[in-house]
Amino acid sequence: DAGVIQSPRHEVTEMGQEVTLRCKPISGHDYLFWYRQTMMRGLELLIYFNNNVPIDDSGMPEDRFSAKMPNASFSTLKIQPSEPRDSAVYFCASRLGGNQPQHFGDGTRLSIL
Amino acid sequence: GNSVTQMEGPVTLSEEAFLTINCTYTATGYPSLFWYVQYPGEGLQLLLKATKADDKGSNKGFEATYRKETTSFHLEKGSVQVSDSAVYFCALIPYSGAGSYQLTFGKGTKLSVIP
Repeated sequence: DAGVIQSPRHEVTEMGQEVTLRCKPISGHDYLFWYRQTMMRGLELLIYFNNNVPIDDSGMPEDRFSAKMPNASFSTLKIQPSEPRDSAVYFCASRLGGNQPQHFGDGTRLSIL
Repeated sequence: GNSVTQMEGPVTLSEEAFLTINCTYTATGYPSLFWYVQYPGEGLQLLLKATKADDKGSNKGFEATYRKETTSFHLEKGSVQVSDSAVYFCALIPYSGAGSYQLTFGKGTKLSVIP
């Protein structure tokens, strides 16, 4: 079975540019999560969706960040404009409901110059 | 609120040594408990889980027992290998019964195994 698929795996761009990260969850999973991981702050939950509806976006750092889930098989995380402090690894994860574990993608390593 | 506390790393062991990574939790209700592993350059992978008190999760030689009386879920392995070098995360999902089964992670413990 295909796991959670993220693209791109690596992104290097200049400050001020728009960045779009993409995620395809595991088919049938009704929860989708976006995380950010840095050395300083560890793993942070940014936002999560249930049945394509955003449930909790309290972890989104500021208005420059936005996330959408237009359908059950696709989600995006957008940063506009990007800043060097946004450099991190961004993970997408999905799972079934209840107390089922999350399944993570391999992440997008983002570098903002 | 819900929280997970893991031992600070990094932990450095020689090959074939015994491993323990401590994890304690605070949660309402009856949480499910998990250990995730992150190898360099990769995402987090589920290593093992336990969903009720006294359950023992096991996988790849790793074990952890859900201890409700001590609110702990310590990870153990009898003989570590160089390939076990990774970051290990303890996590919980609280069974609130009201949806929002959100994972709460510990900060992670980096393990380095040297030959």
